[in-house]
Amino acid sequence: GQNIDQPTEMTATEGAIVQINCTYQTSGFNGLFWYQQHAGEAPTFLSYNVLDGLEEKGRFSSFLSRSKGYSYLLLKELQMKDSASYLCAVNQAGTALIFGKGTTLSVSS
Amino acid sequence: DTEVTQTPKHLVMGMTNKKSLKCEQHMGHRAMYWYKQKAKKPPELMFVYSYEKLSINESVPSRFSPECPNSSLLNLHLHALQPEDSALYLCASSREGEGYTFGSGTRLTVV
Repeated sequence: GQNIDQPTEMTATEGAIVQINCTYQTSGFNGLFWYQQHAGEAPTFLSYNVLDGLEEKGRFSSFLSRSKGYSYLLLKELQMKDSASYLCAVNQAGTALIFGKGTTLSVSS
Repeated sequence: DTEVTQTPKHLVMGMTNKKSLKCEQHMGHRAMYWYKQKAKKPPELMFVYSYEKLSINESVPSRFSPECPNSSLLNLHLHALQPEDSALYLCASSREGEGYTFGSGTRLTVV
């Protein structure tokens, strides 16, 4: 089975940097994904880590440590439109993406 | 084409009705998925099709019946649903080892 933990809610202000952490326990790890989901919409792909280290893509970066079962999503230069739910999802070999409960990020001006 | 298309976008059905949700992708992805998402909850995996064969069924009640007619299409047949089945139903597709592309979902209400 899998256990994926992330904070339920976070708040931040425009222009700030926020880090959303995710810890997981799984067997047959086959990659970790971060998705963004606005209310009432489908999840959209943000990043993918399968090896240890940092992946950077514009204002978004994601980090993975497989030995620690730990990942984070870093959002820089926050904008109001970044207010959304951020889902950590683990791909376990032989199965499909399993999602954590999601972190609701509220960005204020 | 880089999209997963789901129809209908909204569906209201009675508990005695039979309806189908449809999902289509033309990205050549050989894995397709059905997820169910309740409000303020993460998506929950229901079914996985790999190369048009059902590979995972996450103990979903038989009132939900998936079908994969070909590599581009995925259906979810609904029969005798309960009000608690009301949710957003998401279809996704992927290549092995890559991120999933989600459709915009069908918002289902069972009355």
